Amino acid sequence: EADIYQTPRYLVIGTGKKITLECSQTMGHDKMYWYQQDPGMELHLIHYSYGVNSTEKGDLSSESTVSRIRTEHFPLTLESARPSHTSQYLCASSEVRGNTIYFGEGSWLTVV
Amino acid sequence: AQSVTQLDSQVPVFEEAPVELRCNYSSSVSVYLFWYVQYPNQGLQLLLKYLSGSTLVKGINGFEAEFNKSQTSFHLRKPSVHISDTAEYFCAVSDSELTGGGNKLTFGTGTQLKVEL
Repeated sequence: EADIYQTPRYLVIGTGKKITLECSQTMGHDKMYWYQQDPGMELHLIHYSYGVNSTEKGDLSSESTVSRIRTEHFPLTLESARPSHTSQYLCASSEVRGNTIYFGEGSWLTVV
Repeated sequence: AQSVTQLDSQVPVFEEAPVELRCNYSSSVSVYLFWYVQYPNQGLQLLLKYLSGSTLVKGINGFEAEFNKSQTSFHLRKPSVHISDTAEYFCAVSDSELTGGGNKLTFGTGTQLKVEL
């Protein structure tokens, strides 16, 4: 079982602010993911990484950016938040040859 | 491209009654199938998964699911539900390793299971 930690869990910020959602995992998983989930809707992949210095865009276009400087850390950044960015963001990870993706508890972002 | 259809957005059921949550998928390649549960204000927890072998898969909390390739279905069942099973349930599919794909998940829209006394 993977341990994935997301901070902050809940955040309310004003339009135009820059925010970074942190995600860390302690299992040494090479693959990491960010999913976005609007209330009552399905999850959509917005970013993923196969390892250090690897980042790819997901299936859903997002104005956010990610970085992967360390294996255990996969932060997501919004340079200028807008109300349309209000959503839940879920971080996940898996082994390179693994077939199961493990999720963190999510970060709820509200932009006012 | 893959897709997942969860036909029921909400399923109300009385405590101790059986329940089935439906999931159908479409894919042109070999797939893995998953059910995740999401409790209010929490992330996703893996309930069970089908990778290969026996088509009946048992998971945590007394849930099970059956993979039916001909009907492209992976329905989730529990013979007797409890109040604590109230949550959102997501079916998901990913490419299998045989196809060389990564294990990115495609999710269904979710089914809200509401267990009532």
